[in-house]
Amino acid sequence: KQEVTQIPAALSVPEGENLVLNCSFTDSAIYNLQWFRQDPGKGLTSLLLIQSSQREQTSGRLNASLDKSSGRSTLYIAASQPGDSATYLCAVSTGANSKLTFGKGITLSVRP
Amino acid sequence: DAGITQSPRYKITETGRQVTLMCHQTWSHSYMFWYRQDLGHGLRLIYYSAAADITDKGEVPDGYVVSRSKTENFPLTLESATRSQTSVYFCASSEGKNTEAFFGQGTRLTVV
Repeated sequence: KQEVTQIPAALSVPEGENLVLNCSFTDSAIYNLQWFRQDPGKGLTSLLLIQSSQREQTSGRLNASLDKSSGRSTLYIAASQPGDSATYLCAVSTGANSKLTFGKGITLSVRP
Repeated sequence: DAGITQSPRYKITETGRQVTLMCHQTWSHSYMFWYRQDLGHGLRLIYYSAAADITDKGEVPDGYVVSRSKTENFPLTLESATRSQTSVYFCASSEGKNTEAFFGQGTRLTVV
């Protein structure tokens, strides 16, 4: 059974810092990995999707990498801002029906 | 409005009552999903559908029923609500196999 782990559960950094959020998964036979952002009381917003054949994806200040063989992904946030404060979840797709297995998320707080 | 919408946003119901949560997407995506989000458990898949009239169980299907008579709608019914079904429910859709998933805003259900 696929398990996805995100450690630590919470992180607090000062504004302007570059930071890395980690995600690990137990079964390397994934189709893709997706990073989401969730604001309190809101739904999930897709940030980046990395297909299993890709090593990284970039969108603005965000860069996600994937090392499938070691079961790891990182989300790099450059020059963090208070508006980046949210919970970040990673999810992997394992199997033919696009089902996602989620980590429990990292709650990020960026201090002004 | 384009996208994926859930209704109602908030619902309080009594133990034993039947309640239906609605999900509608305007993209004609093939795949649709229902997840529940609980503290300590993260997001868990309840049911999913690969196309109209095709549904299958996820990780936690007990006590839930789904149908998909039209591509754009995927209602989730709790046949006899229990307190353990108090949760935030998210509907999601994706265009095809292992493509990017998009989530609705969620329905916060409280069973008293």
